[in-house]
Amino acid sequence: LAKTTQPISMDSYEGQEVNITCSHNNIATNDYITWYQQFPSQGPRFIIQGYKTKVTNEVASLFIPADRKSSTLSLPRVSLSDTAVYYCLVENTGTASKLTFGTGTRLQVTL
Amino acid sequence: DTAVSQTPKYLVTQMGNDKSIKCEQNLGHDTMYWYKQDSKKFLKIMFSYNNKELIINETVPNRFSPKSPDKAHLNLHINSLELGDSAVYFCASSQGRLAGELFFGEGSRLTVL
Repeated sequence: LAKTTQPISMDSYEGQEVNITCSHNNIATNDYITWYQQFPSQGPRFIIQGYKTKVTNEVASLFIPADRKSSTLSLPRVSLSDTAVYYCLVENTGTASKLTFGTGTRLQVTL
Repeated sequence: DTAVSQTPKYLVTQMGNDKSIKCEQNLGHDTMYWYKQDSKKFLKIMFSYNNKELIINETVPNRFSPKSPDKAHLNLHINSLELGDSAVYFCASSQGRLAGELFFGEGSRLTVL
């Protein structure tokens, strides 16, 4: 399983764009990159998934360079309610998925 | 309507007791999971069932026994509870056995005294 590495924590002010980078040097050809968000006392919630280049939805954008050894989750104009832990996962679509969660990045948004 | 629901949400019990946590999903998904999140917030998969068939069984003490009566339910029974079992247990589901988007329940916080 490809291991992921991401910063333990990040701080931001409300209204700023936040970029969280995840390293996955051992990513395999069949692996997809998925990001989840977890609020305190709740289960993780799916944010976005991608394979290569750029994916955008109503919540975030995901940038994946050509070598796919890293990915960046971009949150535009964060608000206080975006304070949460963000997990980067690498999932192999060729086998029964184990979806191993790493330590995540704790994002703290303040005024 | 709650998509993935777990009961109970909180559970406090003594060492050595046996307890169960129930999970139900109304999404029509084929695959369900149990995850354990410890005090350091690491989220580790324990089990996965696809259409009532066990497909993932991580290195978990055999005191933990999952049971899936149908594809909408996955229960977790824990025998002889130990202090180290204290954690938040999350149930999740997905369409198909390759995960894709996981839908998590709100968690069941187990405290073993």
